Amino acid sequence: AQRVTQPEKLLSVFKGAPVELKCNYSYSGSPELFWYVQYSRQRLQLLLRHISRESIKGFTADLNKGETSFHLKKPFAQEEDSAMYYCALSTGFQKLVFGTGTRLLVSP
Amino acid sequence: GAGVSQSPSNKVTEKGKDVELRCDPISGHTALYWYRQSLGQGLEFLIYFQGNSAPDKSGLPSDRFSAERTGGSVSTLTIQRTQQEDSAVYLCASSPTSEGQPQHFGDGTRLSIL
Repeated sequence: AQRVTQPEKLLSVFKGAPVELKCNYSYSGSPELFWYVQYSRQRLQLLLRHISRESIKGFTADLNKGETSFHLKKPFAQEEDSAMYYCALSTGFQKLVFGTGTRLLVSP
Repeated sequence: GAGVSQSPSNKVTEKGKDVELRCDPISGHTALYWYRQSLGQGLEFLIYFQGNSAPDKSGLPSDRFSAERTGGSVSTLTIQRTQQEDSAVYLCASSPTSEGQPQHFGDGTRLSIL
């Protein structure tokens, strides 16, 4: 069965510190992975996807098939990064399987 | 409109009543998805439409849940004989096709069953 695990419910860091939000997945096929973000009082929106291999707002994520991970990283966190982050797996028909989310809190 | 629109934004109803939730996708998007987010849970897939047909209904939790889409546009999610465990935020998303396109989400409908 497909599953996405985000082990941390809350990640609290200080401004300027590095951030890594963990995501592990379980899927026997070739996965497509996404990170979605929900800022306070805003709708859920796509942050990045692994096939794009791009950096959005300073965030990057690399798909590691050996470790079945897709961790989200940013070298220097900003206060405006505070939000709820969801890792999601697409299994071909674009049905997204979501993790339970990690709340990132960046303090000044 | 510019984005996915859902109505109502909030719905409070008594246990046993039927409710209808509406989703207006982005114009031209052929794929439409319903998800549910319960307290402390991640987003749970409910149903997916490609055009007016629903090739994947695997996530509907019981036969009290149904959904339809007409004209390849608006979709309605209906919950009959609501139960307290149906309380959740119901999110709708759309994408241009079902092939590798990111999904665009609405603000959701917060459903509370008393």
